Amino acid sequence: KNEVEQSPQNLTAQEGEFITINCSYSVGISALHWLQQHPGGGIVSLFMLSSGKKKHGRLIATINIQEKHSSLHITASHPRDSAVYICAVRRNKLVFGAGTILRVKS
Amino acid sequence: EAQVTQNPRYLITVTGKKLTVTCSQNMNHEYMSWYRQDPGLGLRQIYYSMNVEVTDKGDVPEGYKVSRKEKRNFPLILESPSPNQTSLYFCASSFSSSGYYGYTFGSGTRLTVV
Repeated sequence: KNEVEQSPQNLTAQEGEFITINCSYSVGISALHWLQQHPGGGIVSLFMLSSGKKKHGRLIATINIQEKHSSLHITASHPRDSAVYICAVRRNKLVFGAGTILRVKS
Repeated sequence: EAQVTQNPRYLITVTGKKLTVTCSQNMNHEYMSWYRQDPGLGLRQIYYSMNVEVTDKGDVPEGYKVSRKEKRNFPLILESPSPNQTSLYFCASSFSSSGYYGYTFGSGTRLTVV
């Protein structure tokens, strides 16, 4: 079993929909990161969470340390949100989930 | 602009021909690391460095070398590349190794070894 599990693996949404991507982990961590990888390949760090909730524009990330679970929400989704979203947990190193491929159709 | 610069972006080489992928950051970050990304396997850590002259192996270090002689530079060296090292490589840096700071990634290097 992978230390970091993401769901769903693939997600297709219509423009404007509310999107949720989930991340569960099985080990103790110091922090959790959400990353975005666009089709061109570049990786951008979206959030670092050690507790609670963070918001940046239309993106919201939450973490529940007790339940070892984090969610990334996208409100009013747009085709430019189409990307791979990767959850990574920090122990003595970054351990990555497999990623969620999101496609937002107009 | 704060950034991590990787070069080259694309590289096709032949088996056994030594190559170096450069990585440089301008943020005075202590922590730097190298990852490879393969279909179905996701991102995996190759090597990391906590500071100048301090490096350590990640999950998949075989066939790679690194050095950290200056804080800003962290080159990845493939002494004798093989086809199984064909991959997409990313360098990343962070203020510290604690994980409480975000990571800045380079644009990636797509390496093909024939």
